[in-house]
Amino acid sequence: DTGVSQNPRHKITKRGQNVTFRCDPISEHNRLYWYRQTLGQGPEFLTYFQNEAQLEKSRLLSDRFSAERPKGSFSTLEIQRTEQGDSAMYLCASSFGLAGLMETQYFGPGTRLLVL
Amino acid sequence: GDSVTQMEGPVTLSEEAFLTINCTYTATGYPSLFWYVQYPGEGLQLLLKATKADDKGSNKGFEATYRKETTSFHLEKGSVQVSDSAVYFCALSDTRNYQLIWGAGTKLIIKP
Repeated sequence: DTGVSQNPRHKITKRGQNVTFRCDPISEHNRLYWYRQTLGQGPEFLTYFQNEAQLEKSRLLSDRFSAERPKGSFSTLEIQRTEQGDSAMYLCASSFGLAGLMETQYFGPGTRLLVL
Repeated sequence: GDSVTQMEGPVTLSEEAFLTINCTYTATGYPSLFWYVQYPGEGLQLLLKATKADDKGSNKGFEATYRKETTSFHLEKGSVQVSDSAVYFCALSDTRNYQLIWGAGTKLIIKP
């Protein structure tokens, strides 16, 4: 199975520490998305890449958050100076999309972050 | 902005009962509509989708029809099983940047 993978699956950190998550999309997919999901809620969009270009960032993505997708393959999401409010499930999704068309997004299992 | 509203849960049904989970949306343009399912301990999986008005998406006995006149995409299944117990999310696509906009999810509990 070559679905979307995310690492680590769980992360516990202390407030103020930096954390980095990795997402490996389905290999032929050109689009990659990051979402955040808190308990009892639907996911919220954070950012989106088409190949290596970051094309959209939500206002939820404060300057403590940064995402990269070097070479248009895997992506990393870094949170600096974590706060307790950052505790959530961070989801990655990928799709193969042509201009103007909405393709199905396939999700990874998520990384659950707990900030103490 | 665009938004999705779905019925609050949990919804508790007996096995073989008829299921409806309501979903309504507001959107500019012509979004695609999706139902995703999240089984306990697992990631989000696409259940079905519809890309234009009057399209019917179907999968695993579930169906939903894209109704533009009522801005709805209600999920239905004629006879539910215990294995259908999960959280169901309705979502629409933002045609400007392809992000998905989600409802809050509806937890479904099926009792034997």
